[in-house]
Amino acid sequence: KQEVTQIPAALSVPEGENLVLNCSFTDSAIYNLQWFTQDPGKGLTSLLLIQSSQREQTSGRLNASLDKSSGRSTLYIAASQPGDSATYLCAVRRSNDYKLSFGAGTTVTVRA
Amino acid sequence: GAVVSQHPSWVICKSGTSVKIECRSLDFQATTMFWYRQFPKQSLMLMATSNEGSKATYEQGVEKDKFLINHASLTLSTLTVTSAHPEDSSFYICSAKPLPHYGYTFGSGTRLTVV
Repeated sequence: KQEVTQIPAALSVPEGENLVLNCSFTDSAIYNLQWFTQDPGKGLTSLLLIQSSQREQTSGRLNASLDKSSGRSTLYIAASQPGDSATYLCAVRRSNDYKLSFGAGTTVTVRA
Repeated sequence: GAVVSQHPSWVICKSGTSVKIECRSLDFQATTMFWYRQFPKQSLMLMATSNEGSKATYEQGVEKDKFLINHASLTLSTLTVTSAHPEDSSFYICSAKPLPHYGYTFGSGTRLTVV
């Protein structure tokens, strides 16, 4: 069974600071890994998708790395803004099926 | 593109009644959709996989007769919570996988409150 852990559970930073969010998973046989945001009581918005063959993926201020062998992914957010405040979820898709395993999330607050 | 629409966004029902939640793929065909449940401050837990034209596959511990899933077309899956009780109150989210090698798209979720 794939276990996904996100540390820290919560993070508060002043505006402009860089953010580093961690995701670890127990089974390295993954198909891909996806980062999402979720606002309270809302659905999920996809941020980045990293295929198992990739080491990193970038979109604007976001950069996600993947180290499959060590079971880790890191999401970097440069120059954080108050609008970045949300819960960030990491989800891993296993190689042998379509199911996603989610971490519990990191709740980020960016203070103006 | 790749939008999933979920309705209703919130519903309050009386204990013992049934509630239907709809999940539609708006601009793509989804032969497979997924239903998740999320408790406050917890992560998403997969309840079942909905397959167009065939029976849904339920995760261990999920009651098939309590959570009825129908996937009658390539763009619509429904989740019916039957004989709802207060412990069924939760946030339910559906998702679909649009295209090979693409990520998953999620609906906006449904907050169910059973009173």
